[in-house]
Amino acid sequence: SQTIHQWPATLVQPVGSPLSLECTVEGTSNPNLYWYRQAAGRGLQLLFYSVGIGQISSEVPQNLSASRPQDRQFILSSKKLLLSDSGFYLCAWSDRVGETQYFGPGTRLLVL
Amino acid sequence: AQKVTQAQTEISVVEKEDVTLDCVYETRDTTYYLFWYKQPPSGELVFLIRRNSFDEQNEISGRYSWNFQKSTSSFNFTITASQVVDSAVYFCALSEARTGGFKTIFGAGTRLFVKA
Repeated sequence: SQTIHQWPATLVQPVGSPLSLECTVEGTSNPNLYWYRQAAGRGLQLLFYSVGIGQISSEVPQNLSASRPQDRQFILSSKKLLLSDSGFYLCAWSDRVGETQYFGPGTRLLVL
Repeated sequence: AQKVTQAQTEISVVEKEDVTLDCVYETRDTTYYLFWYKQPPSGELVFLIRRNSFDEQNEISGRYSWNFQKSTSSFNFTITASQVVDSAVYFCALSEARTGGFKTIFGAGTRLFVKA
């Protein structure tokens, strides 16, 4: 069966510090991968998606970036965090376009 | 344009009551997918159901049932005999085939409180 992991679970970072969140998927090959952000009490905003290694599409302009160095690894990064980057970050995968997305446990990021 | 509206921000019921969560969507595509997810306090989104636009058959799974009506662009979710464990935020979502299916749009969510 497929599983998706995210770490860390919780992170508190000062403004201006770098960020690296990691997501890995097991039990499937060539998945579509997604990063979402959920602000407190709000819905989900798609940040990035990837259909293959090195292929990243950005949905919203921001100071975040994403990379996919391996087939089942998806990384969300920032060189300098802003207060507005605080939120709950969710990684998801799907087998094919339009198919069901399955979500990881999420990372709660607080930027102070 | 693609849009999902969950007009109910919060719903509070007493255990064993039935509750219906509304979802209205907008799309220009004829081929699309609709989803419901549950987000318990732990935060992880749990997939509940997917429907494609060609399948209007309603579905029942235990205490959960879904009513898909293309005529009213609605995909409502009913929990029968609610339980405290049903307390969560529920999201409805839409994915259009013409955009490649990548752009899944989520509604704002409905927070359900089930009191004992």
